[in-house]
Amino acid sequence: EAGVAQSPRYKIIEKRQSVAFWCNPISGHATLYWYQQILGQGPKLLIQFQNNGVVDDSQLPKDRFSAERLKGVDSTLKIQPAKLEDSAVYLCASSWRTGGGNSPLHFGNGTRLTVT
Amino acid sequence: DQQVKQNSPSLSVQEGRISILNCDYTNSMFDYFLWYKKYPAEGPTFLISISSIKDKNEDGRFTVFLNKSAKHLSLHIVPSQPGDSAVYFCAASDNAGNMLTFGGGTRLMVKP
Repeated sequence: EAGVAQSPRYKIIEKRQSVAFWCNPISGHATLYWYQQILGQGPKLLIQFQNNGVVDDSQLPKDRFSAERLKGVDSTLKIQPAKLEDSAVYLCASSWRTGGGNSPLHFGNGTRLTVT
Repeated sequence: DQQVKQNSPSLSVQEGRISILNCDYTNSMFDYFLWYKKYPAEGPTFLISISSIKDKNEDGRFTVFLNKSAKHLSLHIVPSQPGDSAVYFCAASDNAGNMLTFGGGTRLMVKP
């Protein structure tokens, strides 16, 4: 089975610019997640979709971050405007249902964002 | 407030010996516990999980132990191999798989 695809792999932007990340989950996976991983820390959930509805976006900085999942498949995460502290790896993950022990998450390789 | 903590940022063991990675949590709502393994420049990959109704789950060289009263779990790798060198993340969720929260990770180095 093909894994979770993310692009781009790397992105360097200046602060106050905007950036978008794309994710294609594993076929048939209903749940999609965006995580932010700052260097030296564990992944932090930004938003969780079930099909194309939002399940949890409590930790998404909504003044600058937005995400959508059209038609319940691909998803994009946007940051506008970017700040220096947004430098991190952005990980997309999917699972066939919510990610409990019987349905672990499958992660993409992430997009490394550097904000200068 | 970190709800899932891995207090050892790194661990070094000799090949063939046992590796023990520890994790503590604070939220009583957590019902599923998972371990993920991460190599550089790759996303985390699922390793093993345990439900709160069990106290042990084994898969080959990997065993996870859960002490619910102490809110503590550990991952044992026996015997350790150089290919096990990676960052290991502990994660926890409620029984619906929501609230999935990761610890900060432990870097394991297995020396040949």
